[in-house]
Amino acid sequence: KAGVTQTPRYLIKTRGQQVTLSCSPISGHRSVSWYQQTPGQGLQFLFEYFSETQRNKGNFPGRFSGRQFSNSRSEMNVSTLELGDSALYLCASKALTGTAGGEAFFGQGTRLTVV
Amino acid sequence: AQSVTQLDSHVSVSEGTPVLLRCNYSSSYSPSLFWYVQHPNKGLQLLLKYTSAATLVKGINGFEAEFKKSETSFHLTKPSAHMSDAAEYFCVVSSSGSARQLTFGSGTQLTVLP
Repeated sequence: KAGVTQTPRYLIKTRGQQVTLSCSPISGHRSVSWYQQTPGQGLQFLFEYFSETQRNKGNFPGRFSGRQFSNSRSEMNVSTLELGDSALYLCASKALTGTAGGEAFFGQGTRLTVV
Repeated sequence: AQSVTQLDSHVSVSEGTPVLLRCNYSSSYSPSLFWYVQHPNKGLQLLLKYTSAATLVKGINGFEAEFKKSETSFHLTKPSAHMSDAAEYFCVVSSSGSARQLTFGSGTQLTVLP
């Protein structure tokens, strides 16, 4: 069974630009969550999608948005990039949402550098 | 509301000696608890999980953790450290109800000395 696939693995963007990151969950998994990891703030929850609907959102500005397609693939978009958006962005898939005990499987992440 | 506190940001042990990584949690609902490991430039790998079954949970690579409700703790242990265990470890809580997202601790960097 293929794992969670995130593309691209590395990205360098300029301040003010926008970026789109992609995540393909494990086959059959319908829940996709996004996390931002930085040395200063650690791992922070961005949002969760299930069946193309955003089910939960973390405390991030509106520049961060996402969507999920009918095949469960998800994209995350960041507009008007700031230097502080430089981070490792991790995607996780779960078989079910609303199931606290369901374990999340993580991709290797996309390393975004804003210059 | 839910939160996780990892009591040590860095732990250093010698190869072959026991490992103890400490975690305390806070949750308004019956929590599920996880330990994840992250090797450099890699994603997160699940080590073990507690979901209200047995309080002593065994995971991969010889790790185990004990859920202690009275102490709100979920410490991770391993009897004998291996060089390959050097990585960052995250304690994670997930609750039922509206706060379904995972809440991560700040991480513990484990160094294994030869």
